Amino acid sequence: TQLLEQSPQFLSIQEGENLTVYCNSSSVFSSLQWYRQEPGEGPVLLVTVVTGGEVKKLKRLTFQFGDARKDSSLHITAAQPGDTGLYLCAGEALGSQGNLIFGKGTKLSVKP
Amino acid sequence: EPEVTQTPSHQVTQMGQEVILRCVPISNHLYFYWYRQILGQKVEFLVSFYNNEISEKSEIFDDQFSVERPDGSNFTLKIRSTKLEDSAMYFCASNTVNYGYTFGSGTRLTVV
Repeated sequence: TQLLEQSPQFLSIQEGENLTVYCNSSSVFSSLQWYRQEPGEGPVLLVTVVTGGEVKKLKRLTFQFGDARKDSSLHITAAQPGDTGLYLCAGEALGSQGNLIFGKGTKLSVKP
Repeated sequence: EPEVTQTPSHQVTQMGQEVILRCVPISNHLYFYWYRQILGQKVEFLVSFYNNEISEKSEIFDDQFSVERPDGSNFTLKIRSTKLEDSAMYFCASNTVNYGYTFGSGTRLTVV
């Protein structure tokens, strides 16, 4: 069974601080996706990374896919209260169609 | 922006009853999925559907579950005889290529 370990589970920081969320696995994924989920809503896609070593930026968010395609990170620069929420990573297994393996999520709280 | 629409948003049913959860995927998407999220737990893959047939399913998706695309727009998940442990948020998702999924807002199913 493939697992995606996401850390930290909870993160509480002050506005303006930087933070990094990690997702790690012993398995190789064909792609790694990051989502944000609000309470009572479905996950909303932030980014998809496909190539080992790939880095994508979305304003203050930087996403990286590990060289071996087994791990990924999300880095937020100068966090703002609007960044508060649940961040999920999800890996698509090699050869699968739509079988996303989700991490448990990181609940981020950014205090003004 | 195109959305995946799910109905109903909440469904309460008695144990042993059949339920049908409905989804309208994004119109030009070809791949359709159902996921579920038990309260406080990870999002879990149930099934993927392409070209009018199941392309992949998880161990959760046993004989009590079925999916159907009855017309050109709807995609349904049927649970034949609900159990207490089927209580969860059920998310429908769709996409056109293998990366990046659009999720609906979910149906909260409560089995009593």
